[in-house]
Amino acid sequence: DAGITQSPRHKVTETGTPVTLRCHQTENHRYMYWYRQDPGHGLRLIHYSYGVKDTDKGEVSDGYSVSRSKTEDFLLTLESATSSQTSVYFCAIGQSSYNEQFFGPGTRLTVL
Amino acid sequence: EDKVVQSPLSLVVHEGDTVTLNCSYEVTNFRSLLWYKQEKKAPTFLFMLTSSGIEKKSGRLSSILDKKELFSILNITATQTGDSAVYLCAVELNDSWGKLQFGAGTQVVVTP
Repeated sequence: DAGITQSPRHKVTETGTPVTLRCHQTENHRYMYWYRQDPGHGLRLIHYSYGVKDTDKGEVSDGYSVSRSKTEDFLLTLESATSSQTSVYFCAIGQSSYNEQFFGPGTRLTVL
Repeated sequence: EDKVVQSPLSLVVHEGDTVTLNCSYEVTNFRSLLWYKQEKKAPTFLFMLTSSGIEKKSGRLSSILDKKELFSILNITATQTGDSAVYLCAVELNDSWGKLQFGAGTQVVVTP
């Protein structure tokens, strides 16, 4: 399995609180992605990174921000969590934009 | 608007049956189509298809792409209960930094 870990694996929080999810990789891959998965929607891209300090928005980026200060870590922050952000969040990595992506184990986030 | 549609949404088969899953897409600037398997955890990579008419095969799984009719098929022969999973199709566009657009998935249940 690709060396990708996500933390925390489960989190319950309240509306309005900030939340940060971490994705850590040991593969030295350039590309990293954050997706959310909800019933009936498959996986939807939130933000992605194509290098250290190089990030951009995906299709569902509202309410989320990201940072990548080193190759191995990609952080996803919900500045003020809402119930609509209850979801399973997956991080993925890719060696290049021509290669398949490998997914982390996921974080289940519940916002009450 | 780019679109990836999978069918059927779900199906139930008996062990030993053959399953055919469909993925159609309407996107601009297509680069590749990917299949993933998801068993209550992280999606795992199955195939990446870039050329029409060339079948990719891995054990009992095979897949083919038709770039003229804009669809792909994933076949599973001699199904086993371990094939029970959600099968996800995703499309990558050119010049997209590897971003994937996923379909909603097909839930396959294989009964003994």
